[in-house]
Amino acid sequence: EAGVAQSPRYKIIEKRQSVAFWCNPISGHATLYWYQQILGQGPKLLIQFQNNGVVDDSQLPKDRFSAERLKGVDSTLKIQPAKLEDSAVYLCASSLETGNGYTFGSGTRLTVV
Amino acid sequence: GESVGLHLPTLSVQEGDNSIINCAYSNSASDYFIWYKQESGKGPQFIIDIRSNMDKRQGQRVTVLLNKTVKHLSLQIAATQPGDSAVYFCAENFQGAQKLVFGQGTRLTINP
Repeated sequence: EAGVAQSPRYKIIEKRQSVAFWCNPISGHATLYWYQQILGQGPKLLIQFQNNGVVDDSQLPKDRFSAERLKGVDSTLKIQPAKLEDSAVYLCASSLETGNGYTFGSGTRLTVV
Repeated sequence: GESVGLHLPTLSVQEGDNSIINCAYSNSASDYFIWYKQESGKGPQFIIDIRSNMDKRQGQRVTVLLNKTVKHLSLQIAATQPGDSAVYFCAENFQGAQKLVFGQGTRLTINP
């Protein structure tokens, strides 16, 4: 089966600019997750979708981060405006059922200068 | 807050030796645990998982041990190979919350 697709692979922006990341999960996976991985740390969950509904966004900085999954398939994560501390790898993962069998994409490496 | 942690940030082993990577968790309500391998520039890759009703699970060259009494998880890699060089993360799934919480990771390096 095809894996989780993410784009772009790399992005460099200046602080205060906006940026968007895209994720296409494995076909049929109802649950989709966005994680932030700062260099040298483990991934941290930002938001979790079940189909097109948000299950958990408690750690999403909602003043600048937003995410959507309008048709319950692919998803976008946006940052506006970006800060230097947003530099990280943004990972998308999906699972057939919540809590099990996560598959991760390769991530988007964001550098904010 | 509760989190999954690792005892050692780095581990160096000789090629061919067995590797043991440890992890401590603090949430007694966690019911599912996963070990991931992450190579440079890639996303985490599933290695092996274990549920809280088990204390041991074996895969190909890997074994996960779960000690619920002391809230400890370990990953054993047999006959470590150069391709095993990576950062290894344990993650726990909070029962009810249904989300994975990752530890900080252990970097495994293989000496020839």
